[in-house]
Amino acid sequence: KQEVTQIPAALSVPEGENLVLNCSFTDSAIYNLQWFRQDPGKGLTSLLLIQSSQREQTSGRLNASLDKSSGRSTLYIAASQPGDSATYLCAVEETSGSRLTFGEGTQLTVNP
Amino acid sequence: AAGVIQSPRHLIKEKRETATLKCYPIPRHDTVYWYQQGPGQDPQFLISFYEKMQSDKGSIPDRFSAQQFSDYHSELNMSSLELGDSALYFCASSPFGRDEQYFGPGTRLTVT
Repeated sequence: KQEVTQIPAALSVPEGENLVLNCSFTDSAIYNLQWFRQDPGKGLTSLLLIQSSQREQTSGRLNASLDKSSGRSTLYIAASQPGDSATYLCAVEETSGSRLTFGEGTQLTVNP
Repeated sequence: AAGVIQSPRHLIKEKRETATLKCYPIPRHDTVYWYQQGPGQDPQFLISFYEKMQSDKGSIPDRFSAQQFSDYHSELNMSSLELGDSALYFCASSPFGRDEQYFGPGTRLTVT
């Protein structure tokens, strides 16, 4: 059974810092990996999707990398802003069109 | 751009009552997924449909049932509600041949 773990569970940084969120998964035979953002009590906003054949994806200040063989992904946020404060979730899809298995999330606070 | 629509957004029910949650996928998306997110937890997969047929089943209680209709909208029916059913219920959709799941805003169900 696929298990997804995110470290750290919570992170507090001053505005302007670059930071890295970590995600690991137990079964490396994944199809893709998605990073989501969730504001308190709100829905899930997709940030980046990395196919299993890809090594990284970039969108603005966000960069996600994938090392499938070691079962790890990182989300790099450059020049963090208070508006980045949210919970970040990673999720893996094992086969095309299948369910997502989520990690527990990292709660990020960026202090002005 | 059109997004996934869920209704109602909030629902309050008493124990042992029934509830019906509705999901309207993005146009031309033929796959629908349901997830349940309890307080402080990560989303857990419940069930999915592709072309109106159940495609996968997760940790969905026997008290719950779901279906996808000819117009691709989906309904999650929940009976004999328990306090533990209080959660945020997300619907996601994806188009055939694509991998990214697009999430709706969720329905917050409170069982009292």
